[in-house]
Amino acid sequence: AQKVTQAQTEISVVEKEDVTLDCVYETRDTTYYLFWYKQPPSGELVFLIRRNSFDEQNEISGRYSWNFQKSTSSFNFTITASQVVDSAVYFCALRGEAGANSKLTFGKGITLSVRP
Amino acid sequence: GAVVSQHPSRVICKSGTSVKIECRSLDFQATTMFWYRQFPKQSLMLMATSNEGSKATYEQGVEKDKFLINHASLTLSTLTVTSAHPEDSSFYICSATRDGKGAKNIQYFGAGTRLSVL
Repeated sequence: AQKVTQAQTEISVVEKEDVTLDCVYETRDTTYYLFWYKQPPSGELVFLIRRNSFDEQNEISGRYSWNFQKSTSSFNFTITASQVVDSAVYFCALRGEAGANSKLTFGKGITLSVRP
Repeated sequence: GAVVSQHPSRVICKSGTSVKIECRSLDFQATTMFWYRQFPKQSLMLMATSNEGSKATYEQGVEKDKFLINHASLTLSTLTVTSAHPEDSSFYICSATRDGKGAKNIQYFGAGTRLSVL
């Protein structure tokens, strides 16, 4: 069985602060894929990143960075110099190796509020 | 890009009526689409996997006769909530994966449909 745990439920920061969103996963698959999605108040889920289990290189995209640690089964997401527009619910998700059509397992999401 | 359009964005209906929600991949073909349901302040719950040209695969506990899924083309899947009742009120959201190699099997999501059954 696959599981994604986002232990933080709500985080509130002041603009320009850095914030890290934690994600811990469980899977028995040797090949798997990890994702982060952003859900702003409007409702749609915006794809942020996909990482496969063989690529432990950390990634940076502008103010966003991701730290994949296979040894601790974690895939944490850091927003640097947060902005009010970053306020949203952030979901971490996992897909196993069953194929392209296999389903995503989502965490419960983290509500991030960035105050001016 | 990979744009998924979902329509309508909001629907209010009377109890007992049926509601159809459309999910379209606008700039790519999608053999597989997914339908989720999300309750307030909760995560997404997968309802079913929609496969073009074949029957949908429903998750355990989801009534297939209640939630009819049709995936008649490579760019369109529909979810019909039949004889809707107030307990069916929820946020329904679809996603699609792009066909073809190199697509990285990412699920791209629609904007969701908020259903309110009176």
